[in-house]
Amino acid sequence: DGGITQSPKYLFRKEGQNVTLSCEQNLNHDAMYWYRQDPGQGLRLIYYSQIVNDFQKGDIAEGYSVSREKKESFPLTVTSAQKNPTAFYLCASSIEGLTQETQYFGPGTRLLVL
Amino acid sequence: ILNVEQSPQSLHVQEGDSTNFTCSFPSSNFYALHWYRWETAKSPEALFVMTLNGDEKKKGRISATLNTKEGYSYLYIKGSQPEDSATYLCASDLNQFYFGTGTSLTVIP
Repeated sequence: DGGITQSPKYLFRKEGQNVTLSCEQNLNHDAMYWYRQDPGQGLRLIYYSQIVNDFQKGDIAEGYSVSREKKESFPLTVTSAQKNPTAFYLCASSIEGLTQETQYFGPGTRLLVL
Repeated sequence: ILNVEQSPQSLHVQEGDSTNFTCSFPSSNFYALHWYRWETAKSPEALFVMTLNGDEKKKGRISATLNTKEGYSYLYIKGSQPEDSATYLCASDLNQFYFGTGTSLTVIP
């Protein structure tokens, strides 16, 4: 089955700790995205990548970092600089990252701070 | 950041009722509007991509219309079923997606 997988489903972070959320896709898509969902707000773009070894900041990139070493993988690191990391994180991909393309989403990871 | 609004925030309907909800977006610089359906504990699922003023799209009992001049799109569900219960998201596409907060639909058997 083609699709997007995210792991883990739940993740706990201690104060001052960096954590990495995994996102893998086997759709052969060039573009991948990370979104954050908070209660009462729409999904907001954190980072996106249209090609391997290149990525761009979204609207709320502060306190996050990403890498795109392989086409299939786009991990997101939530650093200790992110002061309010508790949220639901969604990864998505699209064929080329062009306007009007459908984005396909993973099931998400919920991050909780201990 | 683009302001995309959805109304109502939540909706409860009886099985068999038809319903509709609204997505509003700035009418300037329009490229496309996307509708998604998001069931609890699942991934958001794409419903429609709408690009032209006057577009109407249909998928089974669900349909959508688009008015780019006034900046809104309607999503209609005819004869709602319990399996239609989900959050319906819209996103304005301007080289990146700008999402509304969603409409949560509950269909009561």
